[in-house]
Amino acid sequence: EDQVTQSPEALRLQEGESSSLNCSYTVSGLRGLFWYRQDPGKGPEFLFTLYSAGEEKEKERLKATLTKKESFLHITAPKPEDSATYLCAVQAGVGRGSTLGRLYFGRGTQLTVWP
Amino acid sequence: EAGVTQFPSHSVIEKGQTVTLRCDPISGHDNLYWYRRVMGKEIKFLLHFVKESKQDESGMPNNRFLAERTGGTYSTLKVQPAELEDSGVYFCASSPQGTNYGYTFGSGTRLTVV
Repeated sequence: EDQVTQSPEALRLQEGESSSLNCSYTVSGLRGLFWYRQDPGKGPEFLFTLYSAGEEKEKERLKATLTKKESFLHITAPKPEDSATYLCAVQAGVGRGSTLGRLYFGRGTQLTVWP
Repeated sequence: EAGVTQFPSHSVIEKGQTVTLRCDPISGHDNLYWYRRVMGKEIKFLLHFVKESKQDESGMPNNRFLAERTGGTYSTLKVQPAELEDSGVYFCASSPQGTNYGYTFGSGTRLTVV
């Protein structure tokens, strides 16, 4: 069964204190792994897509990496405006026919960055 | 470019009533998805339209849920009759042709069944 587990559930950081969020996944044939940011009362906002092990992508203070079993979202020198829930989702690979488009989400990591 | 629009943003209805949620995707996006987040759980897939056709509706919880996408533009999700366990946030997302793009999500409709 396709599954996505994120840890920790919640993380409190002081401004400037770097850390990493983890996303472990089990899926038969990974087509893509997605990271989203979600602010209260809003929908998930797309950050990155990773397609294969070893791939890395960066955006401002965020860097996402991918291995065959997990992905990390590294946050370097975070600021209070980085506070949000970070969601990881996977898309299963070829051979899934009509279900190819769906995403499987983790429960998210709620990040709070205090000044 | 306008984003994905959902309305209403909030709905409170009594058990047994009917509610219809609407989603307007980004213009030109062939793919439209409905997802739901029940309190304390992860966001879960409900169904996927490609233009006006249902590509995958295997995530729909039961036959009280009916989704339509007439003309391949906006979509509606009707819950009839609503039950307490239907409470949650319903998200709509859209993406261009092809399925390996990061979706654009709407802000969601928070449904409360009392």
